[in-house]
Amino acid sequence: GQNIDQPTEMTATEGAIVQINCTYQTSGFNGLFWYQQHAGEAPTFLSYNVLDGLEEKGRFSSFLSRSKGYSYLLLKELQMKDSASYLCAVLDSNYQLIWGAGTKLIIKP
Amino acid sequence: DAMVIQNPRYQVTQFGKPVTLSCSQTLNHNVMYWYQQKSSQAPKLLFHYYDKDFNNEADTPDNFQSRRPNTSFCFLDIRSPGLGDAAMYLCATSREGGSGANVLTFGAGSRLTVL
Repeated sequence: GQNIDQPTEMTATEGAIVQINCTYQTSGFNGLFWYQQHAGEAPTFLSYNVLDGLEEKGRFSSFLSRSKGYSYLLLKELQMKDSASYLCAVLDSNYQLIWGAGTKLIIKP
Repeated sequence: DAMVIQNPRYQVTQFGKPVTLSCSQTLNHNVMYWYQQKSSQAPKLLFHYYDKDFNNEADTPDNFQSRRPNTSFCFLDIRSPGLGDAAMYLCATSREGGSGANVLTFGAGSRLTVL
């Protein structure tokens, strides 16, 4: 079966750096997405990786290793507004999105 | 601004009383999706449309139906809501091909409560 694994919850301190990991086993691979979802709101797109390596976008970076079935989202200079769930999703060989359950990130002052 | 709009944002219904949720988009995306999301769970795809071509997920209950009368609008009908159908229903759009393909743009969601 197809599976996306990410930690259920993480806690970090304002101003610090946090890395949220995602591992996947899917039928084929056509890219990996990270979405941010604040409580009670819809997910919003953060990043897309289809090639190995690091993609940097401001305070957020996303890394992909296709051979390891692994990605991480790196958040720097954490702000209180970064408290949210972070969803990892993989586009499989049929262009179907397989979603992880999300990692709830709690930021403490 | 181009966007995806869902109505209503909050819907309370009684057990077994039909509900219709609506979604409209001004992005001119050809693909539209309905997801169900329960607390702390991954979004679960119910249906999607490529233009007018309807795709039903194998495990979507018959209680859920959808209509897409034109490119801009899509509806989710829940014929006889049960307590287990209480959830956030998310509409999303995307386009095929080109830069930004397959990136989902979500509406704000419709939260359904079943009494």
